[in-house]
Amino acid sequence: QQPVQSPQAVILREGEDAVINCSSSKALYSVHWYRQKHGEAPVFLMILLKGGEQKGHEKISASFNEKKQQSSLYLTASQLSYSGTYFCGTEIRRRDDKIIFGKGTRLHILP
Amino acid sequence: NAGVMQNPRHLVRRRGQEARLRCSPMKGHSHVYWYRQLPEEGLKFMVYLQKENIIDESGMPKERFSAEFPKEGPSILRIQQVVRGDSAAYFCASSRDRRDSEAFFGQGTRLTVV
Repeated sequence: QQPVQSPQAVILREGEDAVINCSSSKALYSVHWYRQKHGEAPVFLMILLKGGEQKGHEKISASFNEKKQQSSLYLTASQLSYSGTYFCGTEIRRRDDKIIFGKGTRLHILP
Repeated sequence: NAGVMQNPRHLVRRRGQEARLRCSPMKGHSHVYWYRQLPEEGLKFMVYLQKENIIDESGMPKERFSAEFPKEGPSILRIQQVVRGDSAAYFCASSRDRRDSEAFFGQGTRLTVV
């Protein structure tokens, strides 16, 4: 039931782009994306509901392909502040269900 | 508008003692989730509660662990007779009534069992 994230780790130079993928073996109702910096709490980035929508947040956007049961997070022109571990969390049912997180993707941005 | 408040931030317990972790959700939030995180690992789901109800505790060990979210007051995660393997960061998150709303995390409680 745990979603699978890929890649496990990415190293980029400032200004480069990255894509982080999240896939599930079960039909999804929603996908949540968070970023966590070392020693801190996960910070909410965005939520995508089933319907194949795409959302954007500054230079960070995400898509949700309901049929393929997967979501992708796009980081454009990465900044040093984007470094951290990105987690996707998935919900299977609309109500009364928990969010299950993947193992995370570690992103390190070099100057 | 205060965020999700967890206390204590750091907790040290000797083996066999009890640990009580508190979580006050954001104002207007009635759903609380507890997660456990080991160093360099992901967030492992433990329990999902609504006011006075445990909705899903499938991620919580059957023994020594319990959770509650009373009508008044914070949610409590209780670990009895702690062992070294309980050392971890415990995060709680809260969300509004509607399930398709975002969940916000507290700063976590770092439990160390010595």
